Amino acid sequence: EAQVTQNPRYLITVTGKKLTVTCSQNMNHEYMSWYRQDPGLGLRQIYYSMNVEVTDKGDVPEGYKVSRKEKRNFPLILESPSPNQTSLYFCASSLPLAGGRFGEQFFGPGTRLTVL
Amino acid sequence: LAKTTQPISMDSYEGQEVNITCSHNNIATNDYITWYQQFPSQGPRFIIQGYKTKVTNEVASLFIPADRKSSTLSLPRVSLSDTAVYYCLVGGRTSSGSARQLTFGSGTQLTVLP
Repeated sequence: EAQVTQNPRYLITVTGKKLTVTCSQNMNHEYMSWYRQDPGLGLRQIYYSMNVEVTDKGDVPEGYKVSRKEKRNFPLILESPSPNQTSLYFCASSLPLAGGRFGEQFFGPGTRLTVL
Repeated sequence: LAKTTQPISMDSYEGQEVNITCSHNNIATNDYITWYQQFPSQGPRFIIQGYKTKVTNEVASLFIPADRKSSTLSLPRVSLSDTAVYYCLVGGRTSSGSARQLTFGSGTQLTVLP
């Protein structure tokens, strides 16, 4: 089954304790992206990656890191989490198509993070 | 960076046609417009995508005027199960092939009433 998986689905942690949220897709998609979703603010892009070893900042990259060492994986790293990073996080993947178009983005189930 | 603006909420009744408009005044030449639907506690799900004029699929139509500064998602004959948040997304790739940031609007909460 074609899917994007995220782990963990729920996480409660404390300020300053490094954490990683994993994201994996089995569709051989080149494009992957992380979003955070907060009430009233919709979805905001954190980082995105066009392919292996190619990453770029989105709207709200501060406090986050990513890596893309393999095509299927795109982990989100919070080196020193703070309470303002409490949010619902979504990973997505897509296939870039001809003519500047991105194909349908497939979203993971989300990771609800609470930083105390 | 193309910023998008949508109405915060809309109400409709079952069986009616619903039109949700998204404004994207500084859309770039290479940008496409995509709409997604999101139910609570789930990731967004693709509805439709277009570049200009009109696109139709089995669930919706997308109308894009010639200046492309706005777009309208049309949902025919909505049902209670269409109650969700609808997002418009603008973005694409540059002429060199690198990705442009994909920017979601803040979403429109559509509530379908019986």
